[in-house]
Amino acid sequence: DAKTTQPPSMDCAEGRAANLPCNHSTISGNEYVYWYRQIHSQGPQYIIHGLKNNETNEMASLIITEDRKSSTLILPHATLRDTAVYYCIVRVGYSGGGADGLTFGKGTHLIIQP
Amino acid sequence: NAGVTQTPKFRVLKTGQSMTLLCAQDMNHEYMYWYRQDPGMGLRLIHYSVGEGTTAKGEVPDGYNVSRLKKQNFLLGLESAAPSQTSVYFCASSYFLAGRGTQYFGPGTRLLVL
Repeated sequence: DAKTTQPPSMDCAEGRAANLPCNHSTISGNEYVYWYRQIHSQGPQYIIHGLKNNETNEMASLIITEDRKSSTLILPHATLRDTAVYYCIVRVGYSGGGADGLTFGKGTHLIIQP
Repeated sequence: NAGVTQTPKFRVLKTGQSMTLLCAQDMNHEYMYWYRQDPGMGLRLIHYSVGEGTTAKGEVPDGYNVSRLKKQNFLLGLESAAPSQTSVYFCASSYFLAGRGTQYFGPGTRLLVL
């Protein structure tokens, strides 16, 4: 799986959009970009994933650059409950069989300020 | 749907004691996983299962055994607990057709081995 680089921490004001960057310059053509978050002491929570097109769901938007070497997770209206560690993970998404674990790096600690 | 549940939430063991952690999911997912998370670190995969009656080793399997007798349950056993197994244990599950990277996590079991 490709390696990812994220800033260790970021601040964002409540109500503003939080933009979390991730670099994955060695991503392969069949690798997806996944985002998870972990709120203190809780299990990781799946947010969104994408291959090359931008994606949006009820939680967030994912913007992937055309060369796929970086991406940005956008939380459109951040709330205090969005304070968490956010993980960007790059890996092969679908498979014909078998499964293995996710590799969580250190992630970005996003702090939403009131 | 309860999603992924874990029992117990917290446990204290003495060195050499045994215990079983239970993970249950009600989403009819084929894949299930056990991870451990040590303070300040990412999650590491212990064992996983791609279906009822099948298990496989992950990154850190030593000292643990698993069983998946029913599709909805995945058990993690510690035969002789050691202080190095003090950690937070997370169970996860995923749906085959949803892709290997989309995993849903339980709330965790905090284990302290004295």
